[in-house]
Amino acid sequence: QVQLVQSRAAVRKPGASLRISCKASKYTFTGYFIHWVRQAPGQGLEWMGWIDPNTGRTDYAQKFQGSVTMTRDTSINTAYLELNSLTSDDTAIYYCAREMNVIHNWFDTWGQGTLVTVSS
Amino acid sequence: DVQMTQSPSSLSASVGDRVTITCRTNQSVNTYLNWYQQRPGKAPKLLIYGASTLQSGVPSRFGGSGSGTDFSLSIASLQPEDFATYYCQQSFTDSRTFGPGTTVDIK
Repeated sequence: QVQLVQSRAAVRKPGASLRISCKASKYTFTGYFIHWVRQAPGQGLEWMGWIDPNTGRTDYAQKFQGSVTMTRDTSINTAYLELNSLTSDDTAIYYCAREMNVIHNWFDTWGQGTLVTVSS
Repeated sequence: DVQMTQSPSSLSASVGDRVTITCRTNQSVNTYLNWYQQRPGKAPKLLIYGASTLQSGVPSRFGGSGSGTDFSLSIASLQPEDFATYYCQQSFTDSRTFGPGTTVDIK
């Protein structure tokens, strides 16, 4: 079945960077946008942005512009989220999600989430 | 950006109860409104898209309605596995905003 598998949990010190991966399987990777969603401890879902795996085009939520970069490698069906200049406020679970687009748009498949802990 | 609110923020209910959660947006999103369920420690799961279309495999006790700025998610007869947090999401604009969530717990 369609699946998104994310990289494992990571711990970083403040100021460091981190790249999270999201590997797609059982569907045409370039046919569907990938979105990234953040969930801080005990908090709700926060949309971060999307990447079009076909063209590499991205769109980021204003809050995350300049601090995150979304990329992809179509040869291995993988999307990436790079987090820069990490602070303790970036401690969260990060999810990737595939977006279906048939008149309406919705996230039909989610990765299992990657826990990022930022601590000195 | 589209601002979203949900009410209530939490509710307590019993197995077999009918539950209704509302979602409101500060501008019309037509029917570009989705609902997700998130159980503790799990990734969100799609329930409803396009305001009222049930995702394949989702039990028919879940239902969605609304258009414009006012939407609702109903659970006809609450089951033990339905105790979770529910989020609405708009997909009318390029920013796919989520509502703050409604937690349904056991009375």
